[in-house]
Amino acid sequence: DAKTTQPNSMESNEEEPVHLPCNHSTISGTDYIHWYRQLPSQGPEYVIHGLTSNVNNRMASLAIAEDRKSSTLILHRATLRDAAVYYCILSPNAGNMLTFGGGTRLMVKP
Amino acid sequence: DADVTQTPRNRITKTGKRIMLECSQTKGHDRMYWYRQDPGLGLRLIYYSFDVKDINKGEISDGYSVSRQAQAKFSLSLESAIPNQTALYFCATSGREGWDNEQFFGPGTRLTVL
Repeated sequence: DAKTTQPNSMESNEEEPVHLPCNHSTISGTDYIHWYRQLPSQGPEYVIHGLTSNVNNRMASLAIAEDRKSSTLILHRATLRDAAVYYCILSPNAGNMLTFGGGTRLMVKP
Repeated sequence: DADVTQTPRNRITKTGKRIMLECSQTKGHDRMYWYRQDPGLGLRLIYYSFDVKDINKGEISDGYSVSRQAQAKFSLSLESAIPNQTALYFCATSGREGWDNEQFFGPGTRLTVL
């Protein structure tokens, strides 16, 4: 299975943009890139997913490299509520089989 | 009301006991999943079910069994609990494969096996 590599932790200031990187050099042509986040004491929640093109939704943007070997989750204005562990996940289909890695713990400073 | 509910939310049991964790969903989804999460780690898939008659093993199914009683209900059983099954357990649901089949997670069950 293709794997992802993320930094263990990152820090951001409130109201500033945050770029969370993910490397997936062994991604296959049919793997979707998913991002989930887990707020403290909660189950994971979906953030965004994409295949080849950049994606935007109300929560975030997903920028996918042209060779698809890396991607970046962009939070446009971090809030204290965005402090969570963010998981970058590859899935061979549009989302049914998810394999979570360790994720990036995002800390947001006021 | 929450779309995905799990009962109990917390459970302490003893080694060798049989225990059942229950999951219910009101989203009308066909697909349901059970994951476990150990401290500081990501989630690992235990079992998944794509419809009432379909049950599949995940990455770490040994020591667990499941039952899909109805479209809305998916139960996880530990036949004989052991201490290394102490973990946070999450149930999730999703619709059929397609563009918008994100997984929706329940609040989790914290299980402690003494």
